[in-house]
Amino acid sequence: QKEVEQNSGPLSVPEGAIASLNCTYSDRVSQSFFWYRQYSGKSPELIMSIYSNGDKEDGRFTAQLNKASQYVSLLIRDSQPSDSATYLCAVNEGNFNKFYFGSGTKLNVKP
Amino acid sequence: DAGVIQSPRHEVTEMGQEVTLRCKPISGHNSLFWYRQTMMRGLELLIYFNNNVPIDDSGMPEDRFSAKMPNASFSTLKIQPSEPRDSAVYFCASSLREMGNEQFFGPGTRLTVL
Repeated sequence: QKEVEQNSGPLSVPEGAIASLNCTYSDRVSQSFFWYRQYSGKSPELIMSIYSNGDKEDGRFTAQLNKASQYVSLLIRDSQPSDSATYLCAVNEGNFNKFYFGSGTKLNVKP
Repeated sequence: DAGVIQSPRHEVTEMGQEVTLRCKPISGHNSLFWYRQTMMRGLELLIYFNNNVPIDDSGMPEDRFSAKMPNASFSTLKIQPSEPRDSAVYFCASSLREMGNEQFFGPGTRLTVL
């Protein structure tokens, strides 16, 4: 059984701080990793994808992947109240395009 | 560019009725996924298609659920008969395997079975 684990939160950070969201996965053959943002009442929105070890930066977002530790994280710099949402981690094996989603971490950014 | 389109956006029906949800994937995408989301169970994959062929339907909860993809631009998820425990938000997503398998979600259908 493939598992993707996330702390459900809520994670509360003050505006302007760095928010750090973490995700661990159980299947060592996982190859692709994704972060989705979901606002209440809306659909998941893809914000980052990462395929190789290391960091990938896109604006205020940085995804970090460590396949040896089976760990992927998302850093949000200069957090804004508009970043308040649930963040879903998704893992894909590669040979099949089936995703395994974590249960999500709720982020609250306080003004 | 048009994203994934789903209809209806909201559906309220009575127990025992047939419900049909519809999805139009992003043009050119070759994989389509149906998910269900509830507070209790989170986001669950029900079934997915590659090139219009069902690949994995292990997430379909019961025989009351069925899905079809008659062509590359249309898919349906049918529940017959519907039950109150089917109440959830149903999402359709699509992806292009050659582009990193990134999945893009539609706006969802909120289903309420009374």
